[in-house]
Amino acid sequence: KQEVTQIPAALSVPEGENLVLNCSFTDSAIYNLQWFRQDPGKGLTSLLLIQSSQREQTSGRLNASLDKSSGRSTLYIAASQPGDSATYLCAVGGGAGNNRKLIWGLGTSLAVNP
Amino acid sequence: SAVISQKPSRDICQRGTSLTIQCQVDSQVTMMFWYRQQPGQSLTLIATANQGSEATYESGFVIDKFPISRPNLTFSTLTVSNMSPEDSSIYLCSVGVGAETQYFGPGTRLLVL
Repeated sequence: KQEVTQIPAALSVPEGENLVLNCSFTDSAIYNLQWFRQDPGKGLTSLLLIQSSQREQTSGRLNASLDKSSGRSTLYIAASQPGDSATYLCAVGGGAGNNRKLIWGLGTSLAVNP
Repeated sequence: SAVISQKPSRDICQRGTSLTIQCQVDSQVTMMFWYRQQPGQSLTLIATANQGSEATYESGFVIDKFPISRPNLTFSTLTVSNMSPEDSSIYLCSVGVGAETQYFGPGTRLLVL
């Protein structure tokens, strides 16, 4: 049974810092891995999607890496801003189409202080 | 992309009652998903609702407790029946776009007293 763990559970940093959020999963037979952002009252926003054959994906100040063999992914946020404050969720996908069920971590609650 | 709205955004209900949550999408989509996010727990998939077929429920979730309707390609409802305080949660609707991407609604925050 796939289990997804995110460390740390909470993080508070001053504005401008570079930071790393960690995600680990127990079964390396994944189809893809996604990072989402959750803002209160606004649902979830997909940040980055990494296919199982890929090593990393980048979008602006965000970079996500995937090491399937070790069951790990990291989300790197460069030059953090107060607007980055949110909960970041990692989700592992087992397939596509009708099999796109996601297994979720508990998330990392990030606070970026001005 | 897809823009998703949910109603109600939040509600407080008495135990034993039922609540129907609506999910509206701004485009036609085949696959819709209903999730639950209980306090301090990760998101859990309740069921997959494809238009034209019965919803497929995940282990631990049953149709009598969480009946789902999917009358067309832009709309779905989830009913939480005979509620108890353990049903207090955020309920999220999402849609599948393309082969893998999912877009999420803002969620419905439910408190059962």
